[in-house]
Amino acid sequence: QKEVEQNSGPLSVPEGAIASLNCTYSDRGSQSFFWYRQYSGKSPELIMSIYSNGDKEDGRFTAQLNKASQYVSLLIRDSQPSDSATYLCAVNMGGGAQKLVFGQGTRLTINP
Amino acid sequence: DAGVIQSPRHEVTEMGQEVTLRCKPISGHNSLFWYRQTMMRGLELLIYFNNNVPIDDSGMPEDRFSAKMPNASFSTLKIQPSEPRDSAVYFCASSFQGGNTEAFFGQGTRLTVV
Repeated sequence: QKEVEQNSGPLSVPEGAIASLNCTYSDRGSQSFFWYRQYSGKSPELIMSIYSNGDKEDGRFTAQLNKASQYVSLLIRDSQPSDSATYLCAVNMGGGAQKLVFGQGTRLTINP
Repeated sequence: DAGVIQSPRHEVTEMGQEVTLRCKPISGHNSLFWYRQTMMRGLELLIYFNNNVPIDDSGMPEDRFSAKMPNASFSTLKIQPSEPRDSAVYFCASSFQGGNTEAFFGQGTRLTVV
């Protein structure tokens, strides 16, 4: 079992709709969870972090965490063509020192 | 702050040659990560350091790969000898353990081994 799993997509969503991205992780002791966005040819860019169960909203982005189900999600409301990118889920695995592990990424395309 | 700085941005080398990739983390950060990204395998964690000490190198593919962090502001990833299958984008990232633990990436080094 991979430590962090995402559906690789591609996921295609019409402009203005809600894009939903999902991620599961294997280490029940994990405490920190992140979503990164990566445009083609660029480095990953942090867009959201979440540390406790529930929802966290930042503008058009909402991160959701359910530690019991070992599940993290990212919702993008009012999707824009500029949101087209690969979205990477990252989990800081449990333990005293950091081990930041990424999923394979989901390629998202927003269609005008 | 200038962010995480990697050099070189691009490297083309012949099979069998030694390759050294360099990284300067964000000042004040005490954790440093080396990743490799390919289309097939995604973003793989190779090794990470905490307070300049290698903590987990289980992702290093084989003995041809080595990494060092001689001080808080510099790290290297070396491949010797290089092979065509090492061609990938190598990213360095840093974070502050004890804070929000958010990691920030450098621009990456695109390595091509011919």
